[in-house]
Amino acid sequence: AQSVTQPDIHITVSEGASLELRCNYSYGATPYLFWYVQSPGQGLQLLLKYFSGDTLVQGIKGFEAEFKRSQSSFNLRKPSVHWSDAAEYFCAVGPLTGGGNKLTFGTGTQLKVEL
Amino acid sequence: GAGVSQSPSNKVTEKGKDVELRCDPISGHTALYWYRQSLGQGLEFLIYFQGNSAPDKSGLPSDRFSAERTGGSVSTLTIQRTQQEDSAVYLCASSFNSGLEGYTFGSGTRLTVV
Repeated sequence: AQSVTQPDIHITVSEGASLELRCNYSYGATPYLFWYVQSPGQGLQLLLKYFSGDTLVQGIKGFEAEFKRSQSSFNLRKPSVHWSDAAEYFCAVGPLTGGGNKLTFGTGTQLKVEL
Repeated sequence: GAGVSQSPSNKVTEKGKDVELRCDPISGHTALYWYRQSLGQGLEFLIYFQGNSAPDKSGLPSDRFSAERTGGSVSTLTIQRTQQEDSAVYLCASSFNSGLEGYTFGSGTRLTVV
């Protein structure tokens, strides 16, 4: 079965510092990979997605992610974090083999930004 | 509508009561998904509707959970005889046909069973 692992439950960075959030997946075929962000009391917003092609993808709010097949990873990065980036970040993979277009989500990484 | 709308935003219910959670997807989105988000856990898939096809109910945790989607639009998630472990945020999302362009999520319904 496919799965997504986000090893870091909480991360704290200083404003202006660089950020990398880790995501590892287990999937039997070429995955579709996503990063979503959830602010308190809100639903999830799509940051970026990878289907194929260039392994470095750009998203909204200055985020990027790199797909590394050899490491089964899809880490999210941002060169300089802003206080407004404090939120919970979810990595997701799909589709489920033979299971339609459902996405499987990781358990999330809570980002705290220190001013 | 402009986004996915969920109601109520908060619901407190007594153990054993039934609850209904509503989701109004983006107009034109053929796919609709329900997920459950418990504290410290990721998003747990519950059920998936795609057009006129039979829904994928493989994620429903027990027969106390059911959902329907009327007219290919609004969906209602029903939990019968609620238990304390049902307390969670219930998120609805919709998408165009493939779903792999990304989902649009609603803000969720926070359900508290006391």
